Amino acid sequence: DVKVTQSSRYLVKRTGEKVFLECVQDMDHENMFWYRQDPGLGLRLIYFSYDVKMKEKGDIPEGYSVSREKKERFSLILESASTNQTSMYLCASSFHLSDSYGYTFGSGTRLTVV
Amino acid sequence: SQQGEEDPQALSIQEGENATMNCSYKTSINNLQWYRQNSGRGLVHLILIRSNEREKHSGRLRVTLDTSKKSSSLLITASRAADTASYFCATDAGDAGNMLTFGGGTRLMVKP
Repeated sequence: DVKVTQSSRYLVKRTGEKVFLECVQDMDHENMFWYRQDPGLGLRLIYFSYDVKMKEKGDIPEGYSVSREKKERFSLILESASTNQTSMYLCASSFHLSDSYGYTFGSGTRLTVV
Repeated sequence: SQQGEEDPQALSIQEGENATMNCSYKTSINNLQWYRQNSGRGLVHLILIRSNEREKHSGRLRVTLDTSKKSSSLLITASRAADTASYFCATDAGDAGNMLTFGGGTRLMVKP
């Protein structure tokens, strides 16, 4: 069963900490994405990557960075966590330049910054 | 930016009834997709309809697309309590990476 795995379901971090959210996919997908989901705001794209070491900013990249050193792994980094980054974080992956398939999502990481 | 807007925001029906959710979007698209999200979980891809298609079926799901009105609808027939979830439409405008833009979702509750 193909899947996208996010390393943590729940995470509690302190303000100012550097936080790493890890995402691994086993489908050999070229594209990987990080979204955050907040009530009333839907899903907002933070960053995406269409190849190893390639990254593009999404709609809300401020306060975040990403790393894609290997095709299967896409990490989201909160450089200095703040309370307004408390949210549900969703990782997804997809085939490159294909309109035949949708995204495969991980189960999400609910991050609380205190 | 939020490309798709779902309507209604919330819907409550009885088991066995049909559920219809609508999605409107703003720019031209390559395809439109519908996803389901159970509470506190990730999204699951349900169905994809291309811009040159008008209707598509998958089991109890029926999706229509009207590109002239920039709108789509998702119909779930003979709903079940297990269909209780949030449903999102997402549009692919052909940007790099086939980036999807998601709407705010419709929360569907199916009462047994």
